Amino acid sequence: AQKVTQAQTEISVVEKEDVTLDCVYETRDTTYYLFWYKQPPSGELVFLIRRNSFDEQNEISGRYSWNFQKSTSSFNFTITASQVVDSAVYFCALSEARGRGAQKLVFGQGTRLTINP
Amino acid sequence: DTGVSQDPRHKITKRGQNVTFRCDPISEHNRLYWYRQTLGQGPEFLTYFQNEAQLEKSRLLSDRFSAERPKGSFSTLEIQRTEQGDSAMYLCASSTGENEQFFGPGTRLTVL
Repeated sequence: AQKVTQAQTEISVVEKEDVTLDCVYETRDTTYYLFWYKQPPSGELVFLIRRNSFDEQNEISGRYSWNFQKSTSSFNFTITASQVVDSAVYFCALSEARGRGAQKLVFGQGTRLTINP
Repeated sequence: DTGVSQDPRHKITKRGQNVTFRCDPISEHNRLYWYRQTLGQGPEFLTYFQNEAQLEKSRLLSDRFSAERPKGSFSTLEIQRTEQGDSAMYLCASSTGENEQFFGPGTRLTVL
């Protein structure tokens, strides 16, 4: 069965600090997708990134970066120079690979990130 | 291009009543998903449609729950004889092909 663990329930940092959100996953599949979603106080889940299990290259998008390490089954998310607007709950998720069923998302429990001014 | 919309945004009902939620996906998206999210937890998968066909249902979807997607457009999720344990946020998501899912704002259900 697939499982996603986000061990950090809550993180609080001061604005402009860098912060890393951890995600560890379990799957028996050799091909799969990994995702990060942001859920701001308004409640709507916002898609941030999708990663194919074949692609272990790290990705950077502005202040956001993602580190995928298949050897440790981890897909960590770093926010550089955090801002108050980054405050939200962040979810890591896993789905089965292309062409194999519903590709439903299996979510972790989320990490509540608070950026203090 | 409008996103996924859900109606109502909030629903308060008494135990034992029936409720129905609606989801309108992004227009060209053929895949539609329902998830349930309780406080402090990540969303959990309930069911999945490809066009009008309901192809997968979670064990979480008891026989009091039914979902439809007539004509492969909007979808409805009905809960019969609601229980307090049904109180949650019900999220709808859609996608095209096998790409990332985009979520609606959710319907928050409170069962008194």
